[in-house]
Amino acid sequence: AQTVTQSQPEMSVQEAETVTLSCTYDTSESDYYLFWYKQPPSRQMILVIRQEAYKQQNATENRFSVNFQKAAKSFSLKISDSQLGDAAMYFCAYRSVTGGGNKLTFGTGTQLKVEL
Amino acid sequence: ETGVTQSPTHLIKTRGQQVTLRCSSQSGHNTVSWYQQALGQGPQFIFQYYREEENGRGNFPPRFSGLQFPNYSSELNVNALELDDSALYLCASSLVAGTGGERPYFGPGTRLLVL
Repeated sequence: AQTVTQSQPEMSVQEAETVTLSCTYDTSESDYYLFWYKQPPSRQMILVIRQEAYKQQNATENRFSVNFQKAAKSFSLKISDSQLGDAAMYFCAYRSVTGGGNKLTFGTGTQLKVEL
Repeated sequence: ETGVTQSPTHLIKTRGQQVTLRCSSQSGHNTVSWYQQALGQGPQFIFQYYREEENGRGNFPPRFSGLQFPNYSSELNVNALELDDSALYLCASSLVAGTGGERPYFGPGTRLLVL
């Protein structure tokens, strides 16, 4: 079974600065998908960024980028130019390619605070 | 805004009761997954429905059951409620079940409190 670990329960960043959230995972599969989701107090789970494991190039979405290290099973999220609206709980998630349908395995989350 | 809706938004039940939660998937989606998110935790996969059949289940007892209807909307039923069932229940829909990169779209969730 796959597991996802987020070792930072809380992180803080100053507005306009850069912050990196860590995620590691354990799997015996060679192909899979990794996601970062944002969950603000409204509870809606919002997709931030997605990475296919077979792609070596790190995914980017505007101010959000990932550092995907397949051999190390690491998938960190970098948020540049942090904004107050980035404050939320961030979850790293794993999805198998073969079988399991759309089952996502989530980490325990990192609460991001953005300070003025 | 994802187009996935859930009802009700909040619910209070007592131990031993039964509850039904509802989810309307995004237009064109044929797969619905349900997740339980306890306070301070990440969501845990309950099960998934694809074309009206369950095709994947997490580590949840049989008193958690579901349905998917021809219009691809879905229900989650929980019997014999326990205090530990208090959680946020999230529904996620996607276009197909399988090996594609289809990303699930999440609804806003139903907050269930069991007293």
